Amino acid sequence: AQSVTQPDIHITVSEGASLELRCNYSYGATPYLFWYVQSPGQGLQLLLKYFSGDTLVQGIKGFEAEFKRSQSSFNLRKPSVHWSDAAEYFCAVGGNNDMRFGAGTRLTVKP
Amino acid sequence: DTGVSQDPRHKITKRGQNVTFRCDPISEHNRLYWYRQTLGQGPEFLTYFQNEAQLEKSRLLSDRFSAERPKGSFSTLEIQRTEQGDSAMYLCASSLARRLAGAEQFFGPGTRLTVL
Repeated sequence: AQSVTQPDIHITVSEGASLELRCNYSYGATPYLFWYVQSPGQGLQLLLKYFSGDTLVQGIKGFEAEFKRSQSSFNLRKPSVHWSDAAEYFCAVGGNNDMRFGAGTRLTVKP
Repeated sequence: DTGVSQDPRHKITKRGQNVTFRCDPISEHNRLYWYRQTLGQGPEFLTYFQNEAQLEKSRLLSDRFSAERPKGSFSTLEIQRTEQGDSAMYLCASSLARRLAGAEQFFGPGTRLTVL
């Protein structure tokens, strides 16, 4: 069965600091992997996705993620966090038919 | 705006009442998904349609829940005899599924249901 684990429920970083959000997945075949961001009262916005090919994926808003098959991980990174990045971040794994989300990591940005 | 839209954005109802939500997907998308999201959790898959056919339903979708996509365009999600445990955000997403590629899902803003 496919599943996603986001080990960190809440992370606080200072503005300008680097960020890494962890995601581990379980999936029987080659996974399609996604990171979404959700601001309060808003729907989910896709940050980036991995389907195949280069394991380092660039996304919007300066985010990137690296697929590591050996570790079943797809961690999200950003070199310098902005106050507007404060939100809930969800990692998801899916095939063609459905998608499974992690429980999310809430990011707080300190001034 | 050509994104996924949902109506209403908020719904407050009393226990035992029926509610219906509507989702309008991106026009050329052939797949439509419904998810439920409770506080502090990620979205949980409920069901999805390919065109007008409902192809998969989660065990979360009890008999009180029914979804339709009659013409392969908009979809409705009805909850009958609502319970307090139904209080959640109901998210709709759509995608253009291709045979050999995973389909990116585009999400609507959600309908927040509060059952009193």
